[in-house]
Amino acid sequence: DIVMTQSPATLSVSPGERATLSCRASQSVKYNLAWFQQKLGQAPRLLIYRTSTRAPGVPARFSGSGSGTEFTLTIDSLQSEDFAVYYCHQYNKWAPWTFGQGTKVDI
Amino acid sequence: EEQLVESGGGLVQPGGSLRLSCEASGFTFSGFWMHWVRQAPGMGLEWVSRINGDGTNTTYADSVKGRFTISRDNAKNTLYLHLNSLRVDDTAVYYCSRDRSTPLDIWGHGTTVTVTS
Repeated sequence: DIVMTQSPATLSVSPGERATLSCRASQSVKYNLAWFQQKLGQAPRLLIYRTSTRAPGVPARFSGSGSGTEFTLTIDSLQSEDFAVYYCHQYNKWAPWTFGQGTKVDI
Repeated sequence: EEQLVESGGGLVQPGGSLRLSCEASGFTFSGFWMHWVRQAPGMGLEWVSRINGDGTNTTYADSVKGRFTISRDNAKNTLYLHLNSLRVDDTAVYYCSRDRSTPLDIWGHGTTVTVTS
């Protein structure tokens, strides 16, 4: 299976700052990479798919980039509601899907 | 409103069985692949299984292969996950989600499975 590795495990930032989260795949996933946000006690929420496409209703301060095995989620000007855990996810069509272990963004 | 609602979770002993359900509404259920994803207490997300629109194609994570079975009833707009030979490490919140051109774009609230003696 494709192993997804996220870094860092925890990212401490202040409101208004930029957060940069990384995700590495053990083999190429092409552009089949998504990012999810999860707040405590809630289901995950899709933020980004196909590496860089924002899901409906996702603010423009969230952006994704990368390809192949290296991917980045950037959150510009962090808002209080952005403090959460973020997961990357590969969805190669004919392989078992996998998630990264998560990055917690906190103050 | 497009919605998924899971049910069927509960407390079960190791080696026991359970059937989870996920009822869909607000969209054409048969047009979507459907998935189960779980989350153990305090842990990350783990993809479990998927099924195509007509139920003829299924895939499983290695951790559940041979013990869990995914199925669907398009007439009832319902997805199922049959859990057999349950182990303590199957304890988790189980979510259902859908996929077509956009992966896992809506999720249910989850149903909790606790495996304990």
